[in-house]
Amino acid sequence: DIQMTQSPSTLSASVGDRVTITCRASQSISSWLAWYQQRPGKAPKVLIYKASSLESGVPSRFSGSGSGTEFTLTINSLQPDDFATYYCQQYNSSPWTFGQGTKVEIK
Amino acid sequence: QVQLVESGGGLVKPGGSLRLSCAASGFTFSDYYMTWIRQAPGKGLEWVSYISTSGNTIYYADSVKGRFTISRDNAKKSLYLEMNSLRAEDTAVYYCARDHTITMIQGVKPSYYFDFWGQGTLVTVSS
Repeated sequence: DIQMTQSPSTLSASVGDRVTITCRASQSISSWLAWYQQRPGKAPKVLIYKASSLESGVPSRFSGSGSGTEFTLTINSLQPDDFATYYCQQYNSSPWTFGQGTKVEIK
Repeated sequence: QVQLVESGGGLVKPGGSLRLSCAASGFTFSDYYMTWIRQAPGKGLEWVSYISTSGNTIYYADSVKGRFTISRDNAKKSLYLEMNSLRAEDTAVYYCARDHTITMIQGVKPSYYFDFWGQGTLVTVSS
């Protein structure tokens, strides 16, 4: 199975900050990576697919980059709605696996 | 608009069974691969099972293989998860999610990432 490791596990930031979350795969997954946002008590929502493609309707302050084994999600100018937990997911091969999550908290 | 509504969760004793349902609307259900994903309380996301548009291709996570059965009824626009021999570690919110399936002239192609999710149904396995 491909292991996905996110860092940091928790991130404290302020409104307006630029934040970066890293996701590492235990083996190459090319660009087959998605990022999801989960607000408390809600279902996850896809933000980015194929490592860097922005899902329709997602604000442009979200961006993704990377390929192979190392990926990043960047949020420019953090908004109040962005305080949530973020997960990466590889879809290179079954079983499809998620990172453990990164919680973005208010500083 | 796309809607996925799960039902069937509840409290069940270890070794018991439960059947989850997911009612889909707002899209052509038969054109999409579908999946179940779960989240234990306070924990991360775990993919559980996948089913193709026709139901002919099915995948399971090792943790549920032999105990859970995924199925679908395209006429009823519904997805199901039959869960048997339940264990405490199966306690989780179970989400129904739609695969980002691409329709081509030759047929459909799954993407294996999830573009719409239901709100989830809680399954608690406890004596």
